[in-house]
Amino acid sequence: DVKVTQSSRYLVKRTGEKVFLECVQDMDHENMFWYRQDPGLGLRLIYFSYDVKMKEKGDIPEGYSVSREKKERFSLILESASTNQTSMYLCASTPRDNNYGYTFGSGTRLTVV
Amino acid sequence: GQSLEQPSEVTAVEGAIVQINCTYQTSGFYGLSWYQQHDGGAPTFLSYNALDGLEETGRFSSFLSRSDSYGYLLLQELQMKDSASYFCAVKGDTGRRALTFGSGTRLQVQP
Repeated sequence: DVKVTQSSRYLVKRTGEKVFLECVQDMDHENMFWYRQDPGLGLRLIYFSYDVKMKEKGDIPEGYSVSREKKERFSLILESASTNQTSMYLCASTPRDNNYGYTFGSGTRLTVV
Repeated sequence: GQSLEQPSEVTAVEGAIVQINCTYQTSGFYGLSWYQQHDGGAPTFLSYNALDGLEETGRFSSFLSRSDSYGYLLLQELQMKDSASYFCAVKGDTGRRALTFGSGTRLQVQP
């Protein structure tokens, strides 16, 4: 069964900490995405990557950065965590020419205190 | 930019039919997707419409009218397990390779 695996299901961090959220897919997909999900706001795109070392900003990139050193791994970095970054973070992947059917990971619920 | 509108909540009874509407605004349009998400779970892909008309997959169907910038997800023979949130999503702008999601419709199926 194809998978997108996010390293942590729940995470609690302190304000100001540098936080790393990891995502690994085993489907050899070119495209990978990071979304955050908040009640009433749906899924909002933070960053995406369409190839190794390539990245593009989404709708809400402020306070975040990403890294894609290997095809299967896409990391989201919170440079200095703040309480307004408390959220559910969802990673997804899709093959290069598939613009519509994403495979999502189970999410990381991050709480910043 | 892109925006999508869908109702926040819908309630229906087991065995009934329910329709979840989605209207969108995009500059450029490639297609409308639908996802299902159970509480605590990951969104899962349900269907995709690139052309006008109805696509059927078992109990679920999805419809698209590009001229009206409108689509819907139709769920038939509702079951309790269909209680979930449903999101529509579009890939619009040609320069952007990612989906924009609506805020989701929470479907409550009652016995």
